[in-house]
Amino acid sequence: SQKIEQNSEALNIQEGKTATLTCNYTNYSPAYLQWYRQDPGRGPVFLLLIRENEKEKRKERLKVTFDTTLKQSLFHITASQPADSATYLCALDMKSNDYKLSFGAGTTVTVRA
Amino acid sequence: IAGITQAPTSQILAAGRRMTLRCTQDMRHNAMYWYRQDLGLGLRLIHYSNTAGTTGKGEVPDGYSVSRANTDDFPLTLASAVPSQTSVYFCASKRTGDNEQFFGPGTRLTVL
Repeated sequence: SQKIEQNSEALNIQEGKTATLTCNYTNYSPAYLQWYRQDPGRGPVFLLLIRENEKEKRKERLKVTFDTTLKQSLFHITASQPADSATYLCALDMKSNDYKLSFGAGTTVTVRA
Repeated sequence: IAGITQAPTSQILAAGRRMTLRCTQDMRHNAMYWYRQDLGLGLRLIHYSNTAGTTGKGEVPDGYSVSRANTDDFPLTLASAVPSQTSVYFCASKRTGDNEQFFGPGTRLTVL
């Protein structure tokens, strides 16, 4: 069966450290993988997209890697700040599914000052 | 309006009642989506519409219906609400050819 798994545990880190989140999937062949941020009581907000033929993508303090052999994406927040505290969702974007998104359950990150 | 709006913000509903959740976007996006978000399960697609006049079923469509009479509006109707439909509902939209989805603020629905 198809499955998307993100870190099951919430992530608590010290300000200034790097947070690393994982997104593993089985029985999917995504053309793209997207990461969204969700704050409590709000809708998700798009952060980054990485294509299946890209290994790494960066945006400011964010870095995403995509390994289609391991079926895994890693999402890094470097020099983390308390304002980075949120839930982060990975989403698979597949041509076979008419580019409708399939979401993981999310990982909640708390950055301590 | 800027982006996507949803109404109501929250609602408590008796089981068996009919309810329509409203979603309006002003970005002229062709594609629109309805998701429900439950703790530990993430966002699950209920129904979608690739363009005005067309709709399709997502992962969890049972008990829900949608219509897309125009580009801007995409209402979600629960014909006869049941407690298992207690959830937070998000509407989203996307420009054709793009991948990024824009989400509304959500509707928190409780069915008793």
